[in-house]
Amino acid sequence: DVKVTQSSRYLVKRTGEKVFLECVQDMDHENMFWYRQDPGLGLRLIYFSYDVKMKEKGDIPEGYSVSREKKERFSLILESASTNQTSMYLCASSSGQANEKLFFGSGTQLSVL
Amino acid sequence: GESVGLHLPTLSVQEGDNSIINCAYSNSASDYFIWYKQESGKGPQFIIDIRSNMDKRQGQRVTVLLNKTVKHLSLQIAATQPGDSAVYFCAESRGGGGNKLTFGTGTQLKVEL
Repeated sequence: DVKVTQSSRYLVKRTGEKVFLECVQDMDHENMFWYRQDPGLGLRLIYFSYDVKMKEKGDIPEGYSVSREKKERFSLILESASTNQTSMYLCASSSGQANEKLFFGSGTQLSVL
Repeated sequence: GESVGLHLPTLSVQEGDNSIINCAYSNSASDYFIWYKQESGKGPQFIIDIRSNMDKRQGQRVTVLLNKTVKHLSLQIAATQPGDSAVYFCAESRGGGGNKLTFGTGTQLKVEL
C-alpha cells in the first residue's frame, strides 16, 4: 500500500516563526500536493508539484512556499506564520497517470499562537 | 463561479439502512470524480471513483452514480454500519496535468444504533 507520511501530527508555533511541514511518500509518485482543511471549507489546494524541483500554485498559495528537492519529499514552508494559518494540513501524492486518485497522509494540525 | 458542493452538511441514518450522499458540480468539463471518506483524526481515504464516460460504478457496499445532465454525483452506501460514520467528500478533476482535484465541503454521516 502507498504510504504518505507527514512528519508531525500536532505542531504549535508562534506568530512570525518560520514553519516547515514535511511529507514523504514511498511509491515513487510523480505528483505531490499540499492541502489545508478548515471546518466548512473542505480541502483547499495550496501548492502542488509534478516533478522534482517543479512547483505550481494552487488556489490559496499566499503566505506559503514549497520545496521538492527529491522525488519522495515535498515540504511546505510558512515563511512567517500567522494566526490565520492555524489549520489541518494534508499532504497527498499520486502517480503521473491522468485522473488517478490521491493518497493522503494523516495530516498535521498546526496551531499558530 | 465554479464549485463542488454538497446538498446536506449532516446525514443521520439507522444502522442497516442505505445511505445516500449527494454532490453537485458546476463545471461541465470535469471528467473524473472521486469520493473520499475521512474518519476523525485521519487523512481522507479513497472510496470509489468514476470517469465521465460512465454513469454508474459499484464497489463493495458502495455505488457511485453520475448524472452529467444535471451535474450531480451521489454515493450510495448499502447496509450502513457504525464504521461508516465519517465525513464524506466528493472531488472533481477539472482536467489539466497533475490530477489536481477540487473538493467539496463534506457531509458528516452519523450512523445511529
